Amino acid sequence: SQKIEQNSEALNIQEGKTATLTCNYTNYSPAYLQWYRQDPGRGPVFLLLIRENEKEKRKERLKVTFDTTLKQSLFHITASQPADSATYLCALVRDSNYQLIWGAGTKLIIKP
Amino acid sequence: KAGVTQTPRYLIKTRGQQVTLSCSPISGHRSVSWYQQTPGQGLQFLFEYFSETQRNKGNFPGRFSGRQFSNSRSEMNVSTLELGDSALYLCASSYGTSGYQETQYFGPGTRLLVL
Repeated sequence: SQKIEQNSEALNIQEGKTATLTCNYTNYSPAYLQWYRQDPGRGPVFLLLIRENEKEKRKERLKVTFDTTLKQSLFHITASQPADSATYLCALVRDSNYQLIWGAGTKLIIKP
Repeated sequence: KAGVTQTPRYLIKTRGQQVTLSCSPISGHRSVSWYQQTPGQGLQFLFEYFSETQRNKGNFPGRFSGRQFSNSRSEMNVSTLELGDSALYLCASSYGTSGYQETQYFGPGTRLLVL
């Protein structure tokens, strides 16, 4: 079946280190992929979008890579801070019907 | 611009009742999507409305319905509530003119508890 997989276990990172989150997909031909941040009890907030013909996108301390051969996107937060602690969701747009498909999210915990 | 607003923020209902949730999108956005989020299932797409027409639909039973008004405001209705309908219901808006689900701007959600 078609799905998106993110690490279901929480990721614990020491403050100042780089946090790397993974988003894997199967059986899709993606048009583009988005990353969102969600804090408890709140709606997700859009962070970055990367298209299928782009290998890397950056925004301040955030970096996203997209490898269509490996069917994987990596989301990096450099110089991580406790305020970066949240759940991060990836969402992929299929190029067949342009509908967003969501991963379950990875909880990131940055420890001081 | 004001963000996406949802009302009410919290709701408690009993099984068998029905509920209507409301969403006001960002000004200028014509697409409104609805999602159900639970700890076990993550974010599940319910449906998307654009220019008062349902454009996309997820895999939810007919008890879940929605509509969109001419001012792009949207409502979602759940009839004959079940315990499993307890969830955070999120509304998201976007311009919608590209024909596909673009970057989603989410509201704060409505927390529904069914007893």
